[in-house]
Order: sequence, then C-alpha cells, then structure tokens
Amino acid sequence: DQQVKQNSPSLSVQEGRISILNCDYTNSMFDYFLWYKKYPAEGPTFLISISSIKDKNEDGRFTVFLNKSAKHLSLHIVPSQPGDSAVYFCAASARNTGNQFYFGTGTSLTVIP
Amino acid sequence: DAGITQSPRHKVTETGTPVTLRCHQTENHRYMYWYRQDPGHGLRLIHYSYGVKDTDKGEVSDGYSVSRSKTEDFLLTLESATSSQTSVYFCAISGQGADTQYFGPGTRLTVL
Repeated sequence: DQQVKQNSPSLSVQEGRISILNCDYTNSMFDYFLWYKKYPAEGPTFLISISSIKDKNEDGRFTVFLNKSAKHLSLHIVPSQPGDSAVYFCAASARNTGNQFYFGTGTSLTVIP
Repeated sequence: DAGITQSPRHKVTETGTPVTLRCHQTENHRYMYWYRQDPGHGLRLIHYSYGVKDTDKGEVSDGYSVSRSKTEDFLLTLESATSSQTSVYFCAISGQGADTQYFGPGTRLTVL
C-alpha cells in the first residue's frame, strides 16, 4: 500500500514559468519530508526538506509547502530552467518511530526552452 | 557530493546464480540503505543497516540478504537471482535514522 503518492507521472512547463509538483501521503505520523531530483543513469540528489513544524521552506528557486491537515506537500520551482528537467521524488518519514523513508513513484518534469 | 560508490555499476547474470552488490562510503555515516527502483514503483527499501552487524528489513526484502562487517561497506546479496530482480539498485547513507539520505550512482542489474 503506497503511503506516499505522486499522482502526476509527468509535467511539462515552459522555461521561465513556475513548476508545481505535488505529493500526497496517508500516514499522519510522518513528520519529515524530502524532495529528490534524479537525472537518468544517476542516483537521486537531495533537493530540499521540510519538517512538520513548518509549512514552508525555501532554497533559492525551490520552495516546498506542507499542508498537514490535507496531508499534502508541493514543490515549486520558479523560474523553471531546462536543466530542471528530471524525475522528482518526494519522500516521507516518521522520525520518532522508525528509520525508514517512503518514496513516491516520481514525477518526470520537462522544461521546454 | 557524499562519498558513496557502488560496484559493479552494471551486471548481467542468469537466473539462479548468486549476485552480490557492494556499497562503499567514506563519510563514516551510521545508516546505510539498499533500494530498488522500478517503473511505476519509485524507490522501494530492501534492507537497511543502523550499525556494524545491525540490519533490518524493508518493504521488499524477500529474496535478498545483506551484511555489514565494517562501517564503510554494505553488501546486498541475491542468493539465487530471478528475473523479477532485474532492476536498478541504489545505496544510500545518512548520519541518523530517517534523516536526509545521500544516494550512490546505482547498479543496473539484469537477470536473464
């Protein structure tokens, strides 16, 4: 049973516009969330994280929003660049109860020049 | 970049043969993880280790075993490979449990 879901397998955005990637989770015990970016033939690269005590975290062009009541998080990329074209995974963990992360199935982002 | 290497990077083997994948880290991190990535499934945890000789199962551990005799090395063994184990395998490390994980470059395994 998938505890972390990314319902959009793919997304296309024009260069310079905003990319919004979504992620839903079912386990209310999750308290730490990550986004990873993955290029073909490479390992996932950590992008940004957020703890459940926050509802927003920014790092340059990347912002993650967390809505705990909806069990939903999103990654905003502004402005989008062609180099952002990759697969993005969200992941969640319950740090007080275990050592595992649960990953979504990924969203493939294509930024069109 | 975190110092994580995986070997081999590519392997083709036949059904029924044993296979061992190696993950090596130079970061002295306590936690090490093995994942597999498959289309439509994302990354799924196979096994993880929280210290030398301390390991635990993940959600897809059947058919896999692991060993960690040194902090820097975490081995994943397929005792008798099956075609369903054709996948890309990633190793990850973290300093604390359920903390930010850093991934290796992956091993592409094909079982014929």
